[in-house]
Amino acid sequence: QKEVEQNSGPLSVPEGAIASLNCTYSDRGSQSFFWYRQYSGKSPELIMSIYSNGDKEDGRFTAQLNKASQYVSLLIRDSQPSDSATYLCAFQDASGGSYIPTFGRGTSLIVHP
Amino acid sequence: DVKVTQSSRYLVKRTGEKVFLECVQDMDHENMFWYRQDPGLGLRLIYFSYDVKMKEKGDIPEGYSVSREKKERFSLILESASTNQTSMYLCASATTSLVGHEQFFGPGTRLTVL
Repeated sequence: QKEVEQNSGPLSVPEGAIASLNCTYSDRGSQSFFWYRQYSGKSPELIMSIYSNGDKEDGRFTAQLNKASQYVSLLIRDSQPSDSATYLCAFQDASGGSYIPTFGRGTSLIVHP
Repeated sequence: DVKVTQSSRYLVKRTGEKVFLECVQDMDHENMFWYRQDPGLGLRLIYFSYDVKMKEKGDIPEGYSVSREKKERFSLILESASTNQTSMYLCASATTSLVGHEQFFGPGTRLTVL
């Protein structure tokens, strides 16, 4: 059974701070990792994908992947109240022909002014 | 931009009714998915399809069926709605790639079964 573990939170950070969201996964064969953001009452939207060990930066967002430790994280710099949402981590092993990602249950982030 | 649309944002049905939820994507994606999302349980896969007329069961297919007659359209059918099927239903589509594929979600249908 493939599993993704995320702290449900809520994680509360002040505006302007760095928010750090973490995720561990069970499948060593996983190749693809995704972070989705979901606002309350809305559907998830992709914000970052990462496939290689190391860091990937996109604006205020940085995804970090460590396959040896089976760990992926998302850093949000200069957090804004508009970043308040639930963040879902997902992984996928496409080499096995699977079309299905495995999602975590999400971490709720609250950025307070 | 990928666009995934769902037939209804909100739907109220009675126990025992047959319910159709439709999903359409405009990016020629091979793969389409139906999830339900409930508080504390996260996203749970009901069915997915990797090609026209092809379907595979997900984690919770009981009480549901699907239809994919055209590449762009994937329908979820509740044969006889029950109160425990009250939930948010999310459709997603994705292309196929060797490194895994990102999912694009529709806006969701909040179904209430009375």
